[in-house]
Amino acid sequence: EDKVVQSPLSLVVHEGDTVTLNCSYEVTNFRSLLWYKQEKKAPTFLFMLTSSGIEKKSGRLSSILDKKELFSILNITATQTGDSAIYLCAVGRASGGSNYKLTFGKGTLLTVNP
Amino acid sequence: KAGVTQTPRYLIKTRGQQVTLSCSPISGHRSVSWYQQTPGQGLQFLFEYFSETQRNKGNFPGRFSGRQFSNSRSEMNVSTLELGDSALYLCASSPRGLHEKLFFGSGTQLSVL
Repeated sequence: EDKVVQSPLSLVVHEGDTVTLNCSYEVTNFRSLLWYKQEKKAPTFLFMLTSSGIEKKSGRLSSILDKKELFSILNITATQTGDSAIYLCAVGRASGGSNYKLTFGKGTLLTVNP
Repeated sequence: KAGVTQTPRYLIKTRGQQVTLSCSPISGHRSVSWYQQTPGQGLQFLFEYFSETQRNKGNFPGRFSGRQFSNSRSEMNVSTLELGDSALYLCASSPRGLHEKLFFGSGTQLSVL
């Protein structure tokens, strides 16, 4: 059974802090790892990683994948109150033909206090 | 481009009833997936439809079913509701060739009393 474990489950920081969120996985036929941000209801896409060791960046957010050790981290520098959200990690695997299957972790609840 | 639209936003039902939720994907997206989100279990995959065919299915009982229409709109149905079905039901669509990049709707919050 595919497994995606995120840590920590929740985190409280002050504005300006740097945070690192972790995602480890056990998935057969790995295809991709994705990060989503869920502020209210609809998760929004942040990154998709398929290759090991290549960092993806978007402003203050960055992420990297280690396919050998089966984990990914999401870094947020100079946090702002608007970064408060649930951060979801998902791992996609090939599921026959062009099919795929995504398994989500339970998420990390990040709270950024002013 | 309009985003993924889910209706209704909120729903209150009683045990034993059935419910139908609707999802309109982003124009041009032909893949639609459904997820159940609860505080204890996180996001759990229900099923995925592509071109009116169910392509993948999660580990949910047969009370959960879905379908997709020729215009890519999708519905999911839950029959004989149980208290444990209370959850946020999220629909997501994805563009051709990039199935993992999901665009989520705001969900339907279902409460079963």
